[in-house]
Amino acid sequence: GAGVSQSPSNKVTEKGKDVELRCDPISGHTALYWYRQSLGQGLEFLIYFQGNSAPDKSGLPSDRFSAERTGGSVSTLTIQRTQQEDSAVYLCASSPRTSGGYNEQFFGPGTRLTVL
Amino acid sequence: KDQVFQPSTVASSEGAVVEIFCNHSVSNAYNFFWYLHFPGCAPRLLVKGSKPSQQGRYNMTYERFSSSLLILQVREADAAVYYCACSSNTGKLIFGQGTTLQVKP
Repeated sequence: GAGVSQSPSNKVTEKGKDVELRCDPISGHTALYWYRQSLGQGLEFLIYFQGNSAPDKSGLPSDRFSAERTGGSVSTLTIQRTQQEDSAVYLCASSPRTSGGYNEQFFGPGTRLTVL
Repeated sequence: KDQVFQPSTVASSEGAVVEIFCNHSVSNAYNFFWYLHFPGCAPRLLVKGSKPSQQGRYNMTYERFSSSLLILQVREADAAVYYCACSSNTGKLIFGQGTTLQVKP
């Protein structure tokens, strides 16, 4: 079956431009998570969705970052006025549900963002 | 501050048992997750839980604030980054920095 997919796989942009990163979770998974991995760093939580709502946005680094999810499925992470420090691999994960904190999160391959 | 700690690098020889240690300061966390990550690919869950468990060659030890991943009969193909993570009731995972496993033939 299809896993979590992300697009594009690579994105190179100029400083100051806006970018959109897309995540297609596993069908039927109600929970969706975004993480960021900067060079030499671990995976950093950004935001999670339960259905179309985002109960926890605490990891978004600034107001230039936003995310939405529509139809309980596809999610888009938008970074406005990109800065060089935004360069990282952005990973998306989905899970059947969030309750209990025990459920496996299935990851996509990530989008590598490079801001020149 | 909620943090997960693990060594940056562990080296081993083929055929040995490798242990990667992890501990945390995450409030209300009670589950550990161990992920395998080959750069450019999706991280893959190896083992998880709130008690000692085993999946194939992967064993997980469990204490309230620490866990170890043990890889039995390690192979060169096991060379990758291994992430330890903790979860709370919300399901949000707090990841460590990742441990790069080096395997000598």
